[in-house]
Amino acid sequence: QKEVEQNSGPLSVPEGAIASLNCTYSDRGSQSFFWYRQYSGKSPELIMFIYSNGDKEDGRFTAQLNKASQYVSLLIRDSQPSDSATYLCAAQNAGNNRKLIWGLGTSLAVNP
Amino acid sequence: KAGVTQTPRYLIKTRGQQVTLSCSPISGHRSVSWYQQTPGQGLQFLFEYFSETQRNKGNFPGRFSGRQFSNSRSEMNVSTLELGDSALYLCASSLRGVSPLTEAFFGQGTRLTVV
Repeated sequence: QKEVEQNSGPLSVPEGAIASLNCTYSDRGSQSFFWYRQYSGKSPELIMFIYSNGDKEDGRFTAQLNKASQYVSLLIRDSQPSDSATYLCAAQNAGNNRKLIWGLGTSLAVNP
Repeated sequence: KAGVTQTPRYLIKTRGQQVTLSCSPISGHRSVSWYQQTPGQGLQFLFEYFSETQRNKGNFPGRFSGRQFSNSRSEMNVSTLELGDSALYLCASSLRGVSPLTEAFFGQGTRLTVV
């Protein structure tokens, strides 16, 4: 069973701090990884994707990928209350009809 | 550029009825995936259509079916509704090109309540 695992949280951080969200995956064939943010009652929206080992930065967000250890992380710098949401991690295998495997999400609460 | 459009946004149905949900993908996107989301269960994959063909299927009973039209619009049908089918149904579209990287963009979802 190919899985993507995330700590359900809630992860609570003070405003201005760095929030670190982690995700591990079991399928070594996974090549592309996605982070989505989902506000309560809304649909997921894509934040970032990464497919190369290392870091990828986009504004306050940094995605990190370590294929040897099979984990992906998302760092949110200068966290804001508006970042409070559930963050979903997804892994995609280039084979297997490119099916996305989803984690259950981590709930983040940024406290003013 | 218009996003993914799902209709209707909200639906209330009675047990035993059937329901059809619609999804119009982003222009140029040929892949449409459907998901069921319930509290605590995360995103449960239903199926994916690409060029009018079902390419992937999740572990849902046969009461859940779908199709895709030549203009890439997709419909999902649930027959003989059960209380447990109450959920947010999400549609996601993607290019599904040659590159292994296939970003998916979600519609606003259809909130189905079965009473």
